[in-house]
Amino acid sequence: AQKVTQAQTEISVVEKEDVTLDCVYETRDTTYYLFWYKQPPSGELVFLIRRNSFDEQNEISGRYSWNFQKSTSSFNFTITASQVVDSAVYFCALLFIMYSGGGADGLTFGKGTHLIIQP
Amino acid sequence: SAVISQKPSRDICQRGTSLTIQCQVDSQVTMMFWYRQQPGQSLTLIATANQGSEATYESGFVIDKFPISRPNLTFSTLTVSNMSPEDSSIYLCSVDAGYEQYFGPGTRLTVT
Repeated sequence: AQKVTQAQTEISVVEKEDVTLDCVYETRDTTYYLFWYKQPPSGELVFLIRRNSFDEQNEISGRYSWNFQKSTSSFNFTITASQVVDSAVYFCALLFIMYSGGGADGLTFGKGTHLIIQP
Repeated sequence: SAVISQKPSRDICQRGTSLTIQCQVDSQVTMMFWYRQQPGQSLTLIATANQGSEATYESGFVIDKFPISRPNLTFSTLTVSNMSPEDSSIYLCSVDAGYEQYFGPGTRLTVT
């Protein structure tokens, strides 16, 4: 069974501070994908990043960066110089790849971290 | 990529009635998924819908309550049957396209 844990329920920081959102996952599978999504108050899910289990390279995209460590089963997300527009709920999710037919199972989501950026 | 639309975007329904939610994708996809997001909660997978086969339901969800149709590779419906206030949630359709997971805008359901 898969499980995703986002231990931080809510984080509040002042604008321009750096903030890291933690994600720890559990799976017995060797082939899987990890995702981060942003859900602003409007409710839509905004895709941020996908990482496969064989690629441990960290990634940076503007103010966003991700640190994937298989040794600790973690896929943490850092926002540098946070802005008020970053305020949202952020979800980490795990996708299991079915070997039979090569199809994908549905996503297993963490409970989400509510990020509040204060001006 | 895939662009997904859902209808209706929101609805207010009375207890005991049923609502059918439509999901349309702009390209053919094999796997479609339905999720529920209860107020203030995370997303939970309801079922996987593949064209030409019965939907596969996750633990805690049953076909009588959430019947799903998948008549072709671009369309699916989810029905929420005999609704109660506990069914008030956002229902999201999702597709898998090469292990990219795309989501529709969601249907916000309120049951009174």
